[in-house]
Amino acid sequence: IAGITQAPTSQILAAGRRMTLRCTQDMRHNAMYWYRQDLGLGLRLIHYSNTAGTTGKGEVPDGYSVSRANTDDFPLTLASAVPSQTSVYFCASSDSSGTDTQYFGPGTRLTVL
Amino acid sequence: GQNIDQPTEMTATEGAIVQINCTYQTSGFNGLFWYQQHAGEAPTFLSYNVLDGLEEKGRFSSFLSRSKGYSYLLLKELQMKDSASYLCAVMDSNYQLIWGAGTKLIIKP
Repeated sequence: IAGITQAPTSQILAAGRRMTLRCTQDMRHNAMYWYRQDLGLGLRLIHYSNTAGTTGKGEVPDGYSVSRANTDDFPLTLASAVPSQTSVYFCASSDSSGTDTQYFGPGTRLTVL
Repeated sequence: GQNIDQPTEMTATEGAIVQINCTYQTSGFNGLFWYQQHAGEAPTFLSYNVLDGLEEKGRFSSFLSRSKGYSYLLLKELQMKDSASYLCAVMDSNYQLIWGAGTKLIIKP
């Protein structure tokens, strides 16, 4: 693989269910990010990780958790999904957490009913 | 609060030139990015400006005025494949990107 992959591509989920969105990059980037994109709004940062073993909260972290056990993987978990979490989720990575360009995965379209 | 403003939608003709404006108010400034996003796809990087002035990259150019909190993306010789949304994003003092809602560009033949 080259770049960033996300899984699943799309998912329909019942409210209250737990869901993990997967993100893997093979560029050996230190920093990784999770965003959500909703119609009429800009991308909003959920959580980020500046390097393996560390994570931080973004603008809209409530209801989401992340882990960064290694450089390549950065899963996003919804512990108990709610309809307001219906969105398109993008994972991104950059060489460092400074001004380096962020590269995006293809996205996961999540619908919570 | 932090705010990025850009027009919601613009229409232009194939072969023409279009300028997409972006104004921002953020806590600190560590550069401004432009991304292109085709419908149903991921954003892809176009340009980065941190100093005032014009950066040219083929058919695309990006301009920045830090004193005015203003940037524009200039697209020349428009092609149908340029139909997409163009996202303006500013890196704030915490090195987090603050994103505009995007400008949907429609190209007509």
